Amino acid sequence: ETGVTQSPTHLIKTRGQQVTLRCSSQSGHNTVSWYQQALGQGPQFIFQYYREEENGRGNFPPRFSGLQFPNYSSELNVNALELDDSALYLCASSLTGGADTQYFGPGTRLTVL
Amino acid sequence: GENVEQHPSTLSVQEGDSAVIKCTYSDSASNYFPWYKQELGKRPQLIIDIRSNVGEKKDQRIAVTLNKTAKHFSLHITETQPEDSAVYFCAAISPSGSARQLTFGSGTQLTVLP
Repeated sequence: ETGVTQSPTHLIKTRGQQVTLRCSSQSGHNTVSWYQQALGQGPQFIFQYYREEENGRGNFPPRFSGLQFPNYSSELNVNALELDDSALYLCASSLTGGADTQYFGPGTRLTVL
Repeated sequence: GENVEQHPSTLSVQEGDSAVIKCTYSDSASNYFPWYKQELGKRPQLIIDIRSNVGEKKDQRIAVTLNKTAKHFSLHITETQPEDSAVYFCAAISPSGSARQLTFGSGTQLTVLP
């Protein structure tokens, strides 16, 4: 078990709504990355947080936003949900901003109706 | 940015045979290449990784090879077992971005037939 946890496990929302997903990083890890995994595809990088600052961002619109807290846990917020936002959202933690090994949480399955 | 291509998309092997999955990457500066195994409904699990200063790495039945000149890397699983059945993803990290982000391949569904 990697120690990365996510909540909730599943979530159903309707178009236009807003959602907040949560991630607790592995003990001692101060970097959290978020990925979106559509069905049958590889995970796509959304953004990364290191010591409470956004450290880099993938090709996702501004309605995807995040936070990292002093205990290094993190939130992913998505506003104005669209049908295409339906996916598995994964967070991964790593030891430092420069470390490469990333350990994934179990994910949150988001369904947008 | 980095682009990773993975082949084949599906692979079926008989139990006990070997399986090979190949990936190519576009950014010659990429320097870290992990492989993840994802069972249905579960999280991606790191099974092996290699850095650009190494050509090959082994861990029991699993090995990864890296050819920096050709910009490709491969996963080799020997003596396959039914529990090896899963989707396997290769990934790469390029130092060109501000974040150490993983760029994933599209995945290979491996089925080991008993």
